[in-house]
Amino acid sequence: GENVEQHPSTLSVQEGDSAVIKCTYSDSASNYFPWYKQELGKRPQLIIDIRSNVGEKKDQRIAVTLNKTAKHFSLHITETQPEDSAVYFCAAGTGTASKLTFGTGTRLQVTL
Amino acid sequence: SAVISQKPSRDICQRGTSLTIQCQVDSQVTMMFWYRQQPGQSLTLIATANQGSEATYESGFVIDKFPISRPNLTFSTLTVSNMSPEDSSIYLCSVRGQRNTIYFGEGSWLTVV
Repeated sequence: GENVEQHPSTLSVQEGDSAVIKCTYSDSASNYFPWYKQELGKRPQLIIDIRSNVGEKKDQRIAVTLNKTAKHFSLHITETQPEDSAVYFCAAGTGTASKLTFGTGTRLQVTL
Repeated sequence: SAVISQKPSRDICQRGTSLTIQCQVDSQVTMMFWYRQQPGQSLTLIATANQGSEATYESGFVIDKFPISRPNLTFSTLTVSNMSPEDSSIYLCSVRGQRNTIYFGEGSWLTVV
C-alpha cells in the first residue's frame, strides 16, 4: 500500500518568514495530494490540493509543488502569521478511490 | 463543501462498553469514510462506508470491533465495540465532495476510562 513520509515533525519560524514542509510517497499510482491544517481541538481543514497533471499550485500565501518523478511534494507558506500555527498533514491518494494515506504531521509554530 | 455533522462530539466511556457515532451529511454523497486519529498522531483510515452493503475495512480494522452502517447516501454510523483505553481517539467521518476532494466532519472525541 501507499506510504507517506513527512518532514520535519516540528517547525518553528518567526512571523514573516517562510515555512516549507516536505512529503514523499511510494505508490506511483497516487495522483491526488491534499494538505490539511488542524488547529488544536478542531477537525482537519483542507487548505490546498494538487493533482498529478500539475506541477505547482498557488493560493495567496500558500503554494504546493509536486515532483512526480521523485515522488515528492511540498507545502510552502510565505509571510507566515501567528494564525498559521497548527499541525499540517500531507496526504496521497487516487482520485477515483478517494482513500487517503496521511503523513505523520508537522507542528508549525509561528513566533512573534 | 458539504456540511458534515457528527454526534456525539465528545464522550467519556467505560471500558467494555460500546458507543455508536453518527454522521449526517446535508447532501447526498457517493463516498463516505471513517478515520481514527489517536492522541498526537496522524489520521488512519478505518473503512469505507458503502451504501446498502458491508463496509470495506482497511488492514488492522475488523467489522466485529468497528461495525459500520450506511443505510442511505446522507447518513452513516460507526460503532466502537468493547472499548479499551487504547480506543481513546478522535473518530472522524469524511466524505468525497466536489472535484473529488475529501472533507471531514467535526470529529467525535472519545475517552475510555
